[in-house]
Amino acid sequence: QVTLKESGPVLVKPTETLTLTCTVSGFSLSNARMGVSWIRQPPGKALEWLAHIFSNDEKSYSTSLKSRLTISKDTSKSQVVLTMTNMDPVDTATYYCARIRRELWFDHFDYWGQGTLVTVSS
Amino acid sequence: SSELTQDPAVSVALGQTVRITCQGDSLRSYYASWYQQKPGQAPVLVIYGKNNRPSGIPDRFSGSSSGNTASLTITGAQAEDEADYYCNSRDSSGNHNVFGGGTKLTVL
Repeated sequence: QVTLKESGPVLVKPTETLTLTCTVSGFSLSNARMGVSWIRQPPGKALEWLAHIFSNDEKSYSTSLKSRLTISKDTSKSQVVLTMTNMDPVDTATYYCARIRRELWFDHFDYWGQGTLVTVSS
Repeated sequence: SSELTQDPAVSVALGQTVRITCQGDSLRSYYASWYQQKPGQAPVLVIYGKNNRPSGIPDRFSGSSSGNTASLTITGAQAEDEADYYCNSRDSSGNHNVFGGGTKLTVL
C-alpha cells in the first residue's frame, strides 16, 4: 500500500524558510522511473507544480520559484525534503507531495499525500 | 510555452456526456494526465498517458489528444463527478511539469 505524508510547520513568518518533509511508504525512493513531486494549492486557486526528484537524483524546479527551492531525498529514511526560502503571505497554500511516475511521453502523479496547509503570517 | 489552458467552468446534465479540454504547445509532444479534486480533498488521478485509467476509476472516464489539445471525456456523467478537474503535462522543454488552471464541472 503506497502512502505519502507531509509534515512541517503550519505557520511561518514572512522572510523565514519553510522546510517540509514527505515520508513515503509502500515503495522505495530508489525505484527506477519513480520520484516525488511537491505541488501546492493556494486557497481557492489552482494546483501549482513546484519541484520533483527522481531515484537517480535528477531534480527539477519550477522556473518561477527555482531560486527559492531546494529538494533532496534520504532514501534510507524514505523521505523527501523541500525547502523554500524567503516565505511571503502569497505562499500560503496547501502543500502536497505526490509520487511521480515517468514514462517516455508522459508523467503522472499516481499517489498523493493528504496535504498540509501552511500559512505565512507575522 | 509552459502554459496549459482550461475552461474555468463546464456544466453537464446528469447522464449526459461532457468533454473537458486542455490546450498547450507541450501537448504536441507529451500526453496529459488528468486529476479530479473534490472540496477539501487531495487530487485523484483519473487518466494518464494515451488513455489509461488507474484501478478503481470508472470506465465512463476517457482521454484523447489531438494536436495541442488534450481532452477528458465523461460519458454518462454522475452526480459524484461534480468536481474540479486539472490537466498536467511536461512543458515543452521536457524538464518541468505544469498544471492547467482547472475546470469546475457542475452536474445539473
